[in-house]
Amino acid sequence: DAGITQSPRHKVTETGTPVTLRCHQTENHRYMYWYRQDPGHGLRLIHYSYGVKDTDKGEVSDGYSVSRSKTEDFLLTLESATSSQTSVYFCAIKSLGPNTEAFFGQGTRLTVV
Amino acid sequence: GQQVMQIPQYQHVQEGEDFTTYCNSSTTLSNIQWYKQRPGGHPVFLIQLVKSGEVKKQKRLTFQFGEAKKNSSLHITATQTTDVGTYFCAGHNDYKLSFGAGTTVTVRA
Repeated sequence: DAGITQSPRHKVTETGTPVTLRCHQTENHRYMYWYRQDPGHGLRLIHYSYGVKDTDKGEVSDGYSVSRSKTEDFLLTLESATSSQTSVYFCAIKSLGPNTEAFFGQGTRLTVV
Repeated sequence: GQQVMQIPQYQHVQEGEDFTTYCNSSTTLSNIQWYKQRPGGHPVFLIQLVKSGEVKKQKRLTFQFGEAKKNSSLHITATQTTDVGTYFCAGHNDYKLSFGAGTTVTVRA
């Protein structure tokens, strides 16, 4: 497996609290992505990064922010968690170029109560 | 923006039978990638198609890219219990990698 680690792997938090998920890679890949996975919706892109400090919104970015201050780390923050953000979150990394595969982390199961 | 749609959402297959899952994009794709996610696991890359009309095979799996590069299919022959999981197609648009909703496959022994 590619060197990609998500932390924490599981988290239960209360509505209204801030939560930060971390994605760490050791592959020096340029692109990093955050997806959420919910039944019936597949993998939906939240935010992505195409370089240090270069990020952009995906299709379901409301309520989420990201930061990438160095190549290896991509942080996803829920500023004020809501129950609708209960989901499994996957980070993915990809090297430069359209014809390269994405490698996924193990996922973070987040429950907002 | 680009949308990638997959059908069917669920596929219940008798062991030994064949089935096909389809992927359609609202825009022309530079390539299409297929991933498989086993229950409880994370998506894992299977294959990529780049050329119009391209066909690739991996053992019992046959992948096809449409002539217009807007659709793709995955055909599995003689389904086995090891084929259980969710199959995703993904389209690349600039820096974005957008996935379809996936086809979840269950197998009856």
